[in-house]
Amino acid sequence: QQQVKQSPQSLIVQKGGISIINCAYENTAFDYFPWYQQFPGKGPALLIAIRPDVSEKKEGRFTISFNKSAKQFSLHIMDSQPGDSATYFCAAKTSGTYKYIFGTGTRLKVLA
Amino acid sequence: GAGVSQSPSNKVTEKGKDVELRCDPISGHTALYWYRQRLGQGLEFLIYFQGNSAPDKSGLPSDRFSAERTGESVSTLTIQRTQQEDSAVYLCASKLTYAGDEQYFGPGTRLTVT
Repeated sequence: QQQVKQSPQSLIVQKGGISIINCAYENTAFDYFPWYQQFPGKGPALLIAIRPDVSEKKEGRFTISFNKSAKQFSLHIMDSQPGDSATYFCAAKTSGTYKYIFGTGTRLKVLA
Repeated sequence: GAGVSQSPSNKVTEKGKDVELRCDPISGHTALYWYRQRLGQGLEFLIYFQGNSAPDKSGLPSDRFSAERTGESVSTLTIQRTQQEDSAVYLCASKLTYAGDEQYFGPGTRLTVT
């Protein structure tokens, strides 16, 4: 019940296309859902995060869509660029606690 | 301000040797985490510190692994009698408070055991 399932494992998108990465969870106590971006040789960096009181959050070309009833959330990267090529991790956490549950990661490659 | 820093950035060691990895969290951050990331894999939780106490050590893989934290600052992760399967990137992260949501990662230490 503590797992966060992430898919796909890898993704190749043409420049200008939309990249979509999905995550699903079971624990309904989770109420904080961040996405991290990790470039090779670097630590993960917080990209965008959402709470279940909204169904969508947009920051520039990055959008999180959240479906509370389905217990799913996804990251959409609009107008994908080669510089977006990285590994993306979703995570989930219950506010007021310390432990993050991470997805297994998606390696995105955007072709020029 | 300064982010989370880790040292060394790379460490190559012989099997059986001990290694010490260092993490300097963001100033004022009371919560600190260590994670392990094997090549091409996700993040594996190792240990969590609140201040200088470690209420959750459940992720430490074996008794060869230990960690300390001095007050609300530097933390060291020590691996004794290293094995080849210890080869990985060790990531440190910090956040402002126990209840806070945003954690910030360091660049990691890449450990290679030959």
